[in-house]
Amino acid sequence: QVQLQESGPGLVKPSETLSLTCTVSGTSISNYYWSWIRQPAGKGLEWIGRIYTSGSTNYNPSLKSRVTMSVDTSKNQFSLKLNSVTAADTAVYYCAREMVRGVTTTYFDNWGQGTLVTVSS
Amino acid sequence: SSELTQDPAVSVALGQTVRITCQGDSLRSYHASWYQQKPGQAPVLVIYGKNDRPSGIPDRFSGSSSGNTASLTITGAQAEDEADYYCNSRDSSGNHRVFGGGTKLTVL
Repeated sequence: QVQLQESGPGLVKPSETLSLTCTVSGTSISNYYWSWIRQPAGKGLEWIGRIYTSGSTNYNPSLKSRVTMSVDTSKNQFSLKLNSVTAADTAVYYCAREMVRGVTTTYFDNWGQGTLVTVSS
Repeated sequence: SSELTQDPAVSVALGQTVRITCQGDSLRSYHASWYQQKPGQAPVLVIYGKNDRPSGIPDRFSGSSSGNTASLTITGAQAEDEADYYCNSRDSSGNHRVFGGGTKLTVL
């Protein structure tokens, strides 16, 4: 059974860097795409970006200038850094595994429980 | 703004059939996936691909697509189906992923 668990500070000060790690268990992190998705309170889901275990990344164009993702295959973990945060970055952050089936089909089949990150001084 | 558009809210009588739609130009080329989210919980995949269900998802959930619109149909809605539903697909560039704004389903 694949499980994902987010970890990191629940409170970040404005202008600082949000850092989260997702630990994967039940499967090797290798040869999959891994994504970060966030959800402000009472609002919808927003895709932040994804990383392949080779290190190749795709980021949401609206966040690209502030986002960095990395992967550590030895620890079966991947990470998110979002810099220059503001109150608008306050949200529940989810990590998820993305499955890709050919050109037409992608989906997130396993999700972490989510972690609330609040941006406040 | 989202490249995938969903109705904000839909209601259905218990036991009846409801269709939740998702519109976007990228859906002409790519399949949508659908997620159910209940309050305080992480989203759960319910439909992906042409019309595939993960293990454990009841067969009352089905998916379809026509032109720029993908649909999630619940045949015989149950009280436990009351939730927010989100569609997801590639964006028009194909390189990124985008979620619809979500549909709140109320089972009456």
